[in-house]
Amino acid sequence: QVQLVESGGGVVQPGRSLRLSCAASGFSFSTYGIHWVRQPPGKGLEWVAVIWYDGSNEYYADSVKGRCTVSRDNAKNTVYLQMNSLRAEDTAVYYCARDRGAGLYYFDYWGQGTLVTVSS
Amino acid sequence: EIVLTQSPATLSLSPGERATLSCRASQSVSSYLAWYQQKPGQAPRLLIFDASYRATGIPARFSGSGSGTDFTLTISSLEPEDFAVYYCQQRSNWPRTFGQGTAVEIQ
Repeated sequence: QVQLVESGGGVVQPGRSLRLSCAASGFSFSTYGIHWVRQPPGKGLEWVAVIWYDGSNEYYADSVKGRCTVSRDNAKNTVYLQMNSLRAEDTAVYYCARDRGAGLYYFDYWGQGTLVTVSS
Repeated sequence: EIVLTQSPATLSLSPGERATLSCRASQSVSSYLAWYQQKPGQAPRLLIFDASYRATGIPARFSGSGSGTDFTLTISSLEPEDFAVYYCQQRSNWPRTFGQGTAVEIQ
């Protein structure tokens, strides 16, 4: 069955960096785009970034553009989200989600999320 | 960026009743709209995509309609497990955006 498992969250000071990982299994990983979506505690969903199935394209939300980079290793069935210059407003549960296709569609499978807390 | 506005913010209903949720886009998204359900402590689940197509395994009591800027999610007869928060999301433009959510709560 399709499974996505996020890791790498934790407590980090403002201005520092963190790298999240999303390990996938149960499907042909190299043929699907992967998104990152975040949810601040008690609030709604915010799309963060996407990487195409082959890594050829990436898109970012304005709120993270220039501070975050998404990458993937299809040999390891893993997607990464490198987050730099973290701010308090980046505090959220970060989900990775599979695209229904190469990267242009909807999010049909989600991981359980990993919590990032930015605090001094 | 396309802003999605959901209404109402909260819907208080009883099991067996019909729920009608609205999502309005700030500009046309054609039919490129999805609906997700999220229960406390869980990840969202895809219910409807491209405005009216049910995702795999979604019961027939869930239906979606609309195009352009106005969309509706209907739950024909609420089951106890349907009380949750529902989000709409567009894939017409970058960045992808979500509505702020509608909470369907037990009356």
